[in-house]
Amino acid sequence: KAGVTQTPRYLIKTRGQQVTLSCSPISGHRSVSWYQQTPGQGLQFLFEYFSETQRNKGNFPGRFSGRQFSNSRSEMNVSTLELGDSALYLCASSLWSGRIADTQYFGPGTRLTVL
Amino acid sequence: GIQVEQSPPDLILQEGANSTLRCNFSDSVNNLQWFHQNPWGQLINLFYIPSGTKQNGRLSATTVATERYSLLYISSSQTTDSGVYFCAVETQGGSEKLVFGKGTKLTVNP
Repeated sequence: KAGVTQTPRYLIKTRGQQVTLSCSPISGHRSVSWYQQTPGQGLQFLFEYFSETQRNKGNFPGRFSGRQFSNSRSEMNVSTLELGDSALYLCASSLWSGRIADTQYFGPGTRLTVL
Repeated sequence: GIQVEQSPPDLILQEGANSTLRCNFSDSVNNLQWFHQNPWGQLINLFYIPSGTKQNGRLSATTVATERYSLLYISSSQTTDSGVYFCAVETQGGSEKLVFGKGTKLTVNP
């Protein structure tokens, strides 16, 4: 079974631009979560989607948004990019079988550089 | 919110040595996972272990939920074990999916 895939793997943007990142979960997985990793703040939760609905949201400004499609694929968008948005963005998927918690499987990440 | 603390922050070993990494958390958890982040940034899932003990080859993990800590054991370490090891937890009713510790950076020298 294919793992979580993320595109693109690398991205360079300039301040003020916007960017869209894509994540395809493991087949059959219905929950997708996004995380930002920076050297200063570590790994931080952005948001989680399940059945096209945002279930949880981390403490990030409104410039960060996301959505999930009917096939469970997810996109996240960052508008008006700032230098501090340079980071590794990781996507994770889980089965969400109805248990309280499930194993999270991570994709390879998208490394975003803002100049 | 829940606090996750990992120790030690850095660990340097000679190949063949054993090590223990610790993760303390401040509240009850529904999910606890250990990850290894490789040099390319990918988080590799090692264990899903909200309680109890599991083993996978040279790696094993134990979570004592009542005392709010988890341990990751690496035996007969190899250079390929180098990288950063993260502990992450999920709480019932929490607003965040997974809360990560700051990680333990492991360097295994030949």
